[in-house]
Amino acid sequence: EPEVTQTPSHQVTQMGQEVILRCVPISNHLYFYWYRQILGQKVEFLVSFYNNEISEKSEIFDDQFSVERPDGSNFTLKIRSTKLEDSAMYFCASSEGRSSYNEQFFGPGTRLTVL
Amino acid sequence: AQSVTQPDIHITVSEGASLELRCNYSYGATPYLFWYVQSPGQGLQLLLKYFSGDTLVQGIKGFEAEFKRSQSSFNLRKPSVHWSDAAEYFCAVVAAGNKLTFGGGTRVLVKP
Repeated sequence: EPEVTQTPSHQVTQMGQEVILRCVPISNHLYFYWYRQILGQKVEFLVSFYNNEISEKSEIFDDQFSVERPDGSNFTLKIRSTKLEDSAMYFCASSEGRSSYNEQFFGPGTRLTVL
Repeated sequence: AQSVTQPDIHITVSEGASLELRCNYSYGATPYLFWYVQSPGQGLQLLLKYFSGDTLVQGIKGFEAEFKRSQSSFNLRKPSVHWSDAAEYFCAVVAAGNKLTFGGGTRVLVKP
């Protein structure tokens, strides 16, 4: 069964460093998403992406964040200069379409720890 | 703005007993509601969803949920839990653009 994969499973970085979190969405899906979950808090929407453009972003998704589909299979989230408060579990998801009827399939997450 | 509340952070249930997880939502329009489950080391897996029609929705793994508009609730139930049901469960509502808003999650522990 097709699944969304994410690498690495755990990333440890120093404050101020850049990190890139990688995701491979399901191959025939066209819409991609990033969510994050700070420990003990809710899963929060960060950004959605379609046709090489951001469709929607939350207020969390400020200038230090960027997303990219560098090739036909990967979808990345870059954090330019990490802060302590960026420590969280980051989930990638993909869906066939943008309608609310289209199920989002989630990856297992990348746990980011900023020291 | 939409919001989802899951009042129970942890629930412990004996294997074979019934399970009910509570979810309350706040949304201005007709809600599209979801329950996801996350097992350790796994991603979020969709259990079931409600868009319209029959207010009792059947899902995978023997779960069902009932939409009650008057109570703004979408509680998840299972008649008899198995040890493999130990996981964290998330209720969510979707807004325009297929953006999911999640509740805080309920962690279910299953006693032998």
